[in-house]
Amino acid sequence: GENVEQHPSTLSVQEGDSAVIKCTYSDSASNYFPWYKQELGKGPQLIIDIRSNVGEKKDQRIAVTLNKTAKHFSLHITETQPEDSAVYFCAARPPGANSKLTFGKGITLSVRP
Amino acid sequence: GAVVSQHPSWVICKSGTSVKIECRSLDFQATTMFWYRQFPKQSLMLMATSNEGSKATYEQGVEKDKFLINHASLTLSTLTVTSAHPEDSSFYICSARDTRAPEQFFGPGTRLTVL
Repeated sequence: GENVEQHPSTLSVQEGDSAVIKCTYSDSASNYFPWYKQELGKGPQLIIDIRSNVGEKKDQRIAVTLNKTAKHFSLHITETQPEDSAVYFCAARPPGANSKLTFGKGITLSVRP
Repeated sequence: GAVVSQHPSWVICKSGTSVKIECRSLDFQATTMFWYRQFPKQSLMLMATSNEGSKATYEQGVEKDKFLINHASLTLSTLTVTSAHPEDSSFYICSARDTRAPEQFFGPGTRLTVL
């Protein structure tokens, strides 16, 4: 089955700096890669996603890149703000109506004011 | 993004009682719903997947007689924790997907505490 690795487990950046979170996956059949942000005591919020037919996607301060050959994808947050502090989960999913997301272990991002 | 609601947001119950958690997709048809469990500072653990009108498919190690899942309509799924015990205390999160689209959306979660 799919295995998603997420590194590092914690990341601290200064407000205004950029943050990059990387994930690797094992199943070359996976074709959908979402990123979720989870604040304390809340459910995960889908913030951006990318499909395997695209190499990069951007939404304001957030971007995701995908390297299918190397089987890794990254979340880029520019101009970080304290409200970006949260746990971020990457995930991967193969095709199929009933296919399941496989999540990474999550990374705690802290943005220092 | 699409909205998924959960009720209640938190519940405290006595050991041996049953607790029902509702999950609703508010603005889309959820052909598939998922139930997750999350322990503090850990990732999401999938418990079961359900399609509307069908029996749920449980992940290995999840007791289907203890965690009853019903997905009776395209907008509602319920999880019933039967004969709850303190070790069932956790954060339960539902998720929903319209399989015509790739996105999967999560509810706000339900904090269950069993005394």
